[in-house]
Amino acid sequence: SYVLTQPPSVSVAPGKTARITCAGNNIGRESVHWYQQKPGQAPVLVMSDDSDRPSGIPERFSGAKSGSTATLTISRVEAGDEADFYCQVWDSYTDRYVFGTGTKVTVL
Amino acid sequence: QLHLVQSGSEWKKPGASVKVSCKASGYTFTDYGVHWVRQAPGQGLEWMGWINTNTGNPAYAQDFTGRFVFSLDTSVSTAYLQISSLKGEDTAVYYCARDSNRRTDSWGQGTLVTVSS
Repeated sequence: SYVLTQPPSVSVAPGKTARITCAGNNIGRESVHWYQQKPGQAPVLVMSDDSDRPSGIPERFSGAKSGSTATLTISRVEAGDEADFYCQVWDSYTDRYVFGTGTKVTVL
Repeated sequence: QLHLVQSGSEWKKPGASVKVSCKASGYTFTDYGVHWVRQAPGQGLEWMGWINTNTGNPAYAQDFTGRFVFSLDTSVSTAYLQISSLKGEDTAVYYCARDSNRRTDSWGQGTLVTVSS
């Protein structure tokens, strides 16, 4: 089955850059989307189609994909960025959504 | 403004059934599919499946066949998730979310379903 692997945790100091990776064998053929979930809240789409930032998402958030890995980058990290982040693709071979394993971003 | 509003928390005994609603507003309901996502306590997001709001056809993820049913009432722009024969491991927050080109661009606030005797 399709698996998207993320690091369980990423720690970053305020003002620095956080990079969250999402690895999957066939990720190159699919669009990757990213969600941020703060404690007690529903997920919010923060990056679409690998690198498109939805309206209202700060420019500090950017996305990229290379080979079998997609990366969400948060520049100039703020305390309010602390959350769980999930990547997601639509597996076109099986017609199903796949979520990544999730990464907890901690701001030191 | 686009909104998905879900029904409130539920507490059920094992073996009972529950029906969670997801009412959409601010857009044409039948133009966008609805996904259902489960999040067990302290765990990640798990895709349960989705329903085509134009045709009414549901599609279920492999782990969510049999006891889980997606349905619609398009007259009130509402999607439903029904779970029967509830088990303790069904305790989770259940989210509905709007499909937009194979991603979800708006989510309900979540419904906590607790299964306990």
